[in-house]
Amino acid sequence: QSVLTQPPSASGTPGQRVTISCSGSSSNIGSNTVSWYQQLPGTAPKLLIYSNDERPSGVPDRFSGSKSGTSASLAISGLQSEDEADYYCAAWDDSLNGYVFGTGTKVTVL
Amino acid sequence: EVQLVESGGGLVQPGGSLRLSCAASGFTFSSFEMNWVRQAPGKGLEWVSYISSSGSIIFYADSVKGRFTISRDNAKNSVYLQMNSLRAEDTAVYYCAREAKSYTDNYFDYWGQGTLVTVSA
Repeated sequence: QSVLTQPPSASGTPGQRVTISCSGSSSNIGSNTVSWYQQLPGTAPKLLIYSNDERPSGVPDRFSGSKSGTSASLAISGLQSEDEADYYCAAWDDSLNGYVFGTGTKVTVL
Repeated sequence: EVQLVESGGGLVQPGGSLRLSCAASGFTFSSFEMNWVRQAPGKGLEWVSYISSSGSIIFYADSVKGRFTISRDNAKNSVYLQMNSLRAEDTAVYYCAREAKSYTDNYFDYWGQGTLVTVSA
């Protein structure tokens, strides 16, 4: 059961900027850092952003993350066709003693 | 190179049991916390269970508590998920995920390719 809320879809043309929101509560995003995962069709999720705004090595700087209060955002600038994927936010929840994921956002490149 | 390879998935009848395994390589397994995450067909990601590096601390999602058991064998570089009393809603791809080594943050830095569990009569 998802506790973090994301828009189901987002889209843009090549080169545009797309932003995905992730809304939580004081027990998850409000208390802990947020990570983001990219899942290309038919593949396992891959870490995209950790600690709210850090990129692992190899992730293009077109991807950026931010957090404010109980919400977080993922931005993709200079959208490319290979960015078509599902994106999930996640955070540890202190009340549930477990991880919670976002509902997922499907990004389409028009 | 970090590798996580799941196995043990398959078709099982409702009420049945299945044991998933995740074989790790390319890192010092005994130093890392591990998790299981699942994804029902066409649905989003759902965290299932966590186990600390020593195995002394374990957490479960409410949806599987009392039915699933996570364990690890650091000598065999493996983590397991024993699934009992399986239900149709447990049908999913099950991923093994390594938790990054951080004192302040919680996130999964490596994932396996997943193993499909289908619960159906």
